[in-house]
Amino acid sequence: GNSVTQMEGPVTLSEEAFLTINCTYTATGYPSLFWYVQYPGEGLQLLLKATKADDKGSNKGFEATYRKETTSFHLEKGSVQVSDSAVYFCALTRRGRDDKIIFGKGTRLHILP
Amino acid sequence: EAQVTQNPRYLITVTGKKLTVTCSQNMNHEYMSWYRQDPGLGLRQIYYSMNVEVTDKGDVPEGYKVSRKEKRNFPLILESPSPNQTSLYFCASRSLGGTGSEKLFFGSGTQLSVL
Repeated sequence: GNSVTQMEGPVTLSEEAFLTINCTYTATGYPSLFWYVQYPGEGLQLLLKATKADDKGSNKGFEATYRKETTSFHLEKGSVQVSDSAVYFCALTRRGRDDKIIFGKGTRLHILP
Repeated sequence: EAQVTQNPRYLITVTGKKLTVTCSQNMNHEYMSWYRQDPGLGLRQIYYSMNVEVTDKGDVPEGYKVSRKEKRNFPLILESPSPNQTSLYFCASRSLGGTGSEKLFFGSGTQLSVL
């Protein structure tokens, strides 16, 4: 079935470090792919998305490229800030009657000043 | 302001005492859903609704009920809560079809503790 696997956390980095959070997926057809972010004490919010192969989603300095050949959608940022500390969820939509959104388990990111 | 509003934010209750967590959205979204978030398990869908009077089970529906009598409201009902339902709950909504229809809007969450 459809699923999302992302790297386990927590991930701890120093401010201005380069960030990569790995995400791979299993899906039939051509799903859309997403990264959601959950800041402390809040609900999830959409960070970026890509709807077809080779698309790059970007927002707030974060980027992810839809790689169909490796079934991946890794999240990257060139220089992280303390304010990026949050939990990041990779997700995909399953095409069908309900267009269900399937989430990975989340990766907690800690950025040290 | 477009938002999904959940209440209460925190709730402590005892086993067997019926409770309702309310959820309301002001974006005229057709689709609404409830999730629970547990450490190491991520987000799991409890129930969802694709329109008024249309509800369906998600991945973990046991012990929960929902109703969708109006488009904006989607309450989550625990008829007889048990300690294994202690969790962080999120309501979410989105439109169906059209540009941006895949974006889910989340409420701020309800932290439930069942003693």
